[in-house]
Amino acid sequence: EAGVVQSPRYKIIEKKQPVAFWCNPISGHNTLYWYLQNLGQGPELLIRYENEEAVDDSQLPKDRFSAERLKGVDSTLKIQPAELGDSAVYLCASSLGRRGTDTQYFGPGTRLTVL
Amino acid sequence: AQSVTQPDIHITVSEGASLELRCNYSYGATPYLFWYVQSPGQGLQLLLKYFSGDTLVQGIKGFEAEFKRSQSSFNLRKPSVHWSDAAEYFCAVGEGGYNKLIFGAGTRLAVHP
Repeated sequence: EAGVVQSPRYKIIEKKQPVAFWCNPISGHNTLYWYLQNLGQGPELLIRYENEEAVDDSQLPKDRFSAERLKGVDSTLKIQPAELGDSAVYLCASSLGRRGTDTQYFGPGTRLTVL
Repeated sequence: AQSVTQPDIHITVSEGASLELRCNYSYGATPYLFWYVQSPGQGLQLLLKYFSGDTLVQGIKGFEAEFKRSQSSFNLRKPSVHWSDAAEYFCAVGEGGYNKLIFGAGTRLAVHP
């Protein structure tokens, strides 16, 4: 069974440029998560989707970040414009459902460097 | 608010030695607790989880963890460490029963040959 797929794996951009990350969850997983992982820190949830609905986006900086999950399958996270402080790893995860007992499976992440 | 503390930022052990990684949590109700491992360039992989029942849980790769409610702890252990165990380890608590994870800052494990 294929795991969570993310692309690109690495991205280097200059500040004020836009950037987008793509995630394809495990087949059949209804719940999808985007996490931000700063250097030396644990992941922090940015947004959670149940199917195509964003049910928890309280930690998403909406002035520059946006996300979508069309058709309830793959998802895109966008930053526009990027700032130096956005340099981090962006992780996508998926789970079968939204219950606390549903294991979250993580992708390898996209490492973003903003110059 | 829920929180997770991993007191040790870095730990170095010799191959074959035993290992214990500490995790303390703050949560009002019965927590869902997890340990994940992250190798360089890899995503997080679930080692084990605790929801209820037996407080000693077994995971993959020979790891185990014990839930101690009185100490608000969920420490990870392994009796004999292998060089391939070198990685970063994250403890997490599930918030609200609806699958929102709060992670600790992680413990980086180095293994000496």
